Amino acid sequence: AQRVTQPEKLLSVFKGAPVELKCNYSYSGSPELFWYVQYSRQRLQLLLRHISRESIKGFTADLNKGETSFHLKKPFAQEEDSAMYYCAPTPGANSKLTFGKGITLSVRP
Amino acid sequence: DAGVIQSPRHEVTEMGQEVTLRCKPISGHNSLFWYRQTMMRGLELLIYFNNNVPIDDSGMPEDRFSAKMPNASFSTLKIQPSEPRDSAVYFCASSLFTYQETQYFGPGTRLLVL
Repeated sequence: AQRVTQPEKLLSVFKGAPVELKCNYSYSGSPELFWYVQYSRQRLQLLLRHISRESIKGFTADLNKGETSFHLKKPFAQEEDSAMYYCAPTPGANSKLTFGKGITLSVRP
Repeated sequence: DAGVIQSPRHEVTEMGQEVTLRCKPISGHNSLFWYRQTMMRGLELLIYFNNNVPIDDSGMPEDRFSAKMPNASFSTLKIQPSEPRDSAVYFCASSLFTYQETQYFGPGTRLLVL
């Protein structure tokens, strides 16, 4: 069974436009959720995790248990946000991450 | 720290040959992960080591794949014999303790099996 869904493969927006990258998961209870990002020619790296409730590079992600979603949002996209984004939930402690298929965000000038 | 180091960065081989991928985790990290990335299946966890011991190898596709971690600073992923469907980017990652900690990824090894 698919445990994490990123329904879109590509999102293209203009600079300054709002961005929402969707992620849905199928775990019950209290999963831990992560977003990882891979910029061009760079390594895959952690962008943010639910438990820290931080805003990183202007991105936030809210856990909606009712909708089992953890969408990544940014109010005003920048060109340097262009990258591949992966949602990665885990059911809980000592359980492995399952990465979504990823979405390519392209921010045009 | 140079981060997670992987070698080689690129590997082209012929079907049937043995392939060995290498990884040096970040010093002090207790967990090491091997992932495979393909267009069709995305990023899949192959195997997870904690304190050099394989904890979860449920993602290893078949007996042709094997992984070792002889010490805290080195791991290998071996494919023998290799097949064209093994062509992918293989990532190594490490974290301080377990899955729940931030994983730091290496640059990946791009494998092409002809």
